[in-house]
Amino acid sequence: KAGVTQTPRYLIKTRGQQVTLSCSPISGHRSVSWYQQTPGQGLQFLFEYFSETQRNKGNFPGRFSGRQFSNSRSEMNVSTLELGDSALYLCASSLTGLGANVLTFGAGSRLTVL
Amino acid sequence: TQLLEQSPQFLSIQEGENLTVYCNSSSVFSSLQWYRQEPGEGPVLLVTVVTGGEVKKLKRLTFQFGDARKDSSLHITAAQPGDTGLYLCALLDYKLSFGAGTTVTVRA
Repeated sequence: KAGVTQTPRYLIKTRGQQVTLSCSPISGHRSVSWYQQTPGQGLQFLFEYFSETQRNKGNFPGRFSGRQFSNSRSEMNVSTLELGDSALYLCASSLTGLGANVLTFGAGSRLTVL
Repeated sequence: TQLLEQSPQFLSIQEGENLTVYCNSSSVFSSLQWYRQEPGEGPVLLVTVVTGGEVKKLKRLTFQFGDARKDSSLHITAAQPGDTGLYLCALLDYKLSFGAGTTVTVRA
């Protein structure tokens, strides 16, 4: 079966712009989580969506937002980009989330902010 | 906040050698996962360990969970270039809390 698909894979933006990243989970998976990966901070949890509702949120400013559609596809948006937002953004899907012991990650979207 | 410390940060070995990476916590954890992430890819789950003293084997990889459930180790026997990657341990509850990882390079 198809894995987790993230688009775009690479993008370059300038400070102050906004960006939208997309994640298509494995068919049948209803939970989508987002993580930010940087060399300095490692992998950090952004938020998790289940059945179109945000269930959990990490410690990121309000510039980071997300949503989930009825087909479980999810998008995350970062507004007013800062240099420090340059990172690999990963999404992971699972059947139920909330401690599900099998999360499948996508390959990520690498964002560079100039 | 429970933190995971991984050591060493970097490890470079020759093909055929053995290696061990470590994951330690300041407090007891209920379950721990190990992931491997290759360049340009997302992390891939290798194993979940739950029980203190548990040992799991995955081909040449051996995972141990400390008796006190505050530490874990990953041992690779006869490493191959395909084992190259970033090895991450993570605590699992409503989210994954990752350690900083160990970058392993296996030279041919």
